Amino acid sequence: AQRVTQPEKLLSVFKGAPVELKCNYSYSGSPELFWYVQYSRQRLQLLLRHISRESIKGFTADLNKGETSFHLKKPFAQEEDSAMYYCALSADSWGKLQFGSGTQVVVTP
Amino acid sequence: EAGVAQSPRYKIIEKRQSVAFWCNPISGHATLYWYQQILGQGPKLLIQFQNNGVVDDSQLPKDRFSAERLKGVDSTLKIQPAKLEDSAVYLCASSSGSGNTIYFGEGSWLTVV
Repeated sequence: AQRVTQPEKLLSVFKGAPVELKCNYSYSGSPELFWYVQYSRQRLQLLLRHISRESIKGFTADLNKGETSFHLKKPFAQEEDSAMYYCALSADSWGKLQFGSGTQVVVTP
Repeated sequence: EAGVAQSPRYKIIEKRQSVAFWCNPISGHATLYWYQQILGQGPKLLIQFQNNGVVDDSQLPKDRFSAERLKGVDSTLKIQPAKLEDSAVYLCASSSGSGNTIYFGEGSWLTVV
């Protein structure tokens, strides 16, 4: 069975510092990986997906199949990055998502 | 483009009572999902519809939860009778098809007392 693990419940960083959110997954096949974000009082929304290989709001994430990881990184955190971040995996043709437990990011000035 | 709409936004009920949540997906989206998010956890899929057919309801507690999408558009999720452990946010989401972006509603917050 597939599983998504986000080991950090809370990450507190200073503005301008790098931030890295860890995500590890277990799945024997080739899953599709996503990062979703939920800002305060807003709905859950897609931040990025590994197949796009693009940078969104300065965030990047690389799929490492050897380490079964999909860590999210940003070199210089901004206050507006404060939010809840969820790593998610899709492993079937119907596209349903399996989520990790989330990491709360707090960026302090 | 209007997003996924859900109602009610908040509901407080006593255990053993019933509750129903309604979802209107983005226009044209054939795939609709209901997720349950318990405090401190990530969303967990309850049921997935493709048009008006059920694709996956393996994690739906069928003794008390039911969901329907009769005309392939709106959907309702019902809980009867509710238990304390059903206190959660119920998220509806939709997409235009497999592999496409999934859009979430704001959620319906349920507290069972």
